[in-house]
Order: sequence, then C-alpha cells, then structure tokens
Amino acid sequence: DTAVSQTPKYLVTQMGNDKSIKCEQNLGHDTMYWYKQDSKKFLKIMFSYNNKELIINETVPNRFSPKSPDKAHLNLHINSLELGDSAVYFCASKSSTRTYNEQFFGPGTRLTVL
Amino acid sequence: GDSVTQMEGPVTLSEEAFLTINCTYTATGYPSLFWYVQYPGEGLQLLLKATKADDKGSNKGFEATYRKETTSFHLEKGSVQVSDSAVYFCALSERSGGSYIPTFGRGTSLIVHP
Repeated sequence: DTAVSQTPKYLVTQMGNDKSIKCEQNLGHDTMYWYKQDSKKFLKIMFSYNNKELIINETVPNRFSPKSPDKAHLNLHINSLELGDSAVYFCASKSSTRTYNEQFFGPGTRLTVL
Repeated sequence: GDSVTQMEGPVTLSEEAFLTINCTYTATGYPSLFWYVQYPGEGLQLLLKATKADDKGSNKGFEATYRKETTSFHLEKGSVQVSDSAVYFCALSERSGGSYIPTFGRGTSLIVHP
C-alpha cells in the first residue's frame, strides 16, 4: 500500500547510456513532481505535471524528458547520461485543491554514472 | 521569485538539548509554510505545516509558528533525541497562475549525540 513508489531504487550505469526511472502514486493526486538531490542534500525541482500536463519545466538539460501516461504515473527518461547526473532523484505528488496540501515523496532512486 | 533561506548545518546537539532551526522566506502572496524531514536513506516526509499568519504547526514535539511580520517559520523542539537526527527542509507553496509552486530551502542537517 505504498503511496508513492519509484523503480528502480538503485541504478548504476555507464556514461552515454539511456535510462528511465518510473514513478507511481496511488493517492489519487493530480500533480506530480521530479526532484534532483545532490550530495549536499540540495533539492532542485526539475518538472511538474498537473493532470498529465507539464506545468513546471525548470532549467534542465533537454537530455531529461518526463512522460506522464496518466495522472498516477510520471516517468523520467535520461539520454546520454553524464557523470554530473549522478544524484538521488525523487518523485513526489500532491493534490492541487489547496495551497496547504503537502507533497508526498517517494523513497528515491540513487543514480550512479560511471 | 519566491525563496526560502534556512540556517546552514550541520547542527550538532547532545540529547535533550533545545533545538532551533531558523527559516525565513520571501513570497509575493500568502504562501503556506512547511517543514519536511528526511531520515537517512529515505524520501522527505511532512513534519508540520501552517497555512496562515500566527498559525502554529506541531508534530512529534516539534513546533513552528508562521510569522508574517518577520517572514519566518523557525522550527523548535524542547528536547531532542538521537532519533531526530535527520535533514530538515523548510518549504513554501504559493499559487501561481493555475498551479502551486513549491520552493524548498537548502536543508539543515541535525546530528544528535547520546
């Protein structure tokens, strides 16, 4: 009965490869996010989708492409991986009905690029 | 744009000491304010929140009061435990157009020694 789940939990890959991270939420929320957390714990928002529509697209290399097949899923595809992409990636969701609704975070995917 | 500034860590305390983690914000409207906690190896989870001026959020012995006059939302706990060791994030959420934009501080690491 996990609220926000991500797969895989760990991802180790070589530079130049293409990889995907999947996220699913079973909370009925209409808004989902992707964040990148660096080694100093700084959290940077990358994308946000509301009802499958992209609403936040921060300055992120276009090698990163989000895809939302439905409201419960937001996947992140990364092309041509670079060393600097190594980080922990978090998916989150919330209901957009109120400003004070909190976000629910997944457990994170630790990406290591060699 | 909106921003959240929190004190740099790490904050190192002995068990049963008093904790304060400072957080100030800038926002154009009337945001909701949050504290999230991230335990080692996990995603962020909501610790407490406040939705309007003078509201006090509280949970697990932690408290924070929404101070509009000083644009602050400082986190306090009277007696910390080793199990409180984690990274704490101050955040705000404000409506922008048709969506809610989250803004996070850089996180403050708390280390509690027995």
